[in-house]
Amino acid sequence: GNSVTQMEGPVTLSEEAFLTINCTYTATGYPSLFWYVQYPGEGLQLLLKATKADDKGSNKGFEATYRKETTSFHLEKGSVQVSDSAVYFCALSSRGSTLGRLYFGRGTQLTVWP
Amino acid sequence: KAGVTQTPRYLIKTRGQQVTLSCSPISGHRSVSWYQQTPGQGLQFLFEYFSETQRNKGNFPGRFSGRQFSNSRSEMNVSTLELGDSALYLCASSLEQTQETQYFGPGTRLLVL
Repeated sequence: GNSVTQMEGPVTLSEEAFLTINCTYTATGYPSLFWYVQYPGEGLQLLLKATKADDKGSNKGFEATYRKETTSFHLEKGSVQVSDSAVYFCALSSRGSTLGRLYFGRGTQLTVWP
Repeated sequence: KAGVTQTPRYLIKTRGQQVTLSCSPISGHRSVSWYQQTPGQGLQFLFEYFSETQRNKGNFPGRFSGRQFSNSRSEMNVSTLELGDSALYLCASSLEQTQETQYFGPGTRLLVL
């Protein structure tokens, strides 16, 4: 079946620190992978995505590389800002009977202190 | 383009009542998916509609139902509300192709007393 496992937080960092949030997945076939971010009181915003092995998604200084050999899609940012404080979700979508459904990790709460 | 809109944003109901939530997808998007988000269970898939047909359904009781209209707008209904139905209900829309990115609305926060 399909599932996503991501490190659970909370993660607390100082401004300008390096960020890594680990995400691994199990999927049938060849999934697309996503990172979403949720700010307090809001819905989910797409942060980045990758649709095939070795693709790198990037946006707003965040990056993640689709690693088929390790079934991973770790999120990284070289220098976090206070405004990056939010909950981050790793997700996958797959074909076939799971059409239209995203599988999410449990989310990682990130807090960045000035 | 306008994003996904959900109404109402907040709702308070009592046990036993029913509720209807509405979702308007991004213009041109024909697939609408619904998710329930709670602190304990995280994000759980409810169902997905495409061209007025339910294509996929999560593991929720029959009290949770939905529909999609010809203009792609969607509604979900929860009957006989229980305290455990208190959650943030998120709607997402996408184009018709498989594995297409889903864009989320701001959610409807439902509190059942």
